[in-house]
Amino acid sequence: AQTIHQWPVAEIKAVGSPLSLGCTIKGKSSPNLYWYWQATGGTLQQLFYSITVGQVESVVQLNLSASRPKDDQFILSTEKLLLSHSGFYLCAWSLGDWGVAETLYFGSGTRLTVL
Amino acid sequence: GMPVEQNPPALSLYEGADSGLRCNFSTTMKSVQWFQQNHRGRLITLFYLAQGTKENGRLKSTFNSKERYSTLHIKDAQLEDSGTYFCAADHNAGAKLTFGGGTRLTVRP
Repeated sequence: AQTIHQWPVAEIKAVGSPLSLGCTIKGKSSPNLYWYWQATGGTLQQLFYSITVGQVESVVQLNLSASRPKDDQFILSTEKLLLSHSGFYLCAWSLGDWGVAETLYFGSGTRLTVL
Repeated sequence: GMPVEQNPPALSLYEGADSGLRCNFSTTMKSVQWFQQNHRGRLITLFYLAQGTKENGRLKSTFNSKERYSTLHIKDAQLEDSGTYFCAADHNAGAKLTFGGGTRLTVRP
């Protein structure tokens, strides 16, 4: 069975500090991977997606970057956090050929508070 | 307007009641998905539809691409149905889903 693991569960960070969030998918080969951001009480906004190792497409940047160093790993990071980065970050995966959206499955999320 | 408009933004039901949520799309969408987000933030995938209707227990969803809408119907609402429901639609880019604003559902005993 496939599993998706996000880390850390929660972070409290200072403005201007670096950030790295991680996501690992096990049990699926070559999944499509996604990062979403959700403001408190808001909807989900897609940040990045990746269909293969080393290839990441930006949807909305928000002064963040993403990388896919391995087939089963997706990393979200920034060198300098802003207050506006606070929120809930969700990693998701799907299968499907390029250009075809298939069912999304989400991780449990990371709650980020920037002070 | 917004590409995905979800209504109502909030809904309160008594246990046992039936109700529906709706998403209207500003353009033709290729597919739609529905999710439930619980109080911990966990998103549970409910349905994926490219067309037509699907049912799963007390939930039923319909997607009409031509008429640009999708609905989620909840029958015999239970306390555990409380949460925020989101629809998300695929316009044509495949890898990009646009989420609706969500419907916060509260089921009361």
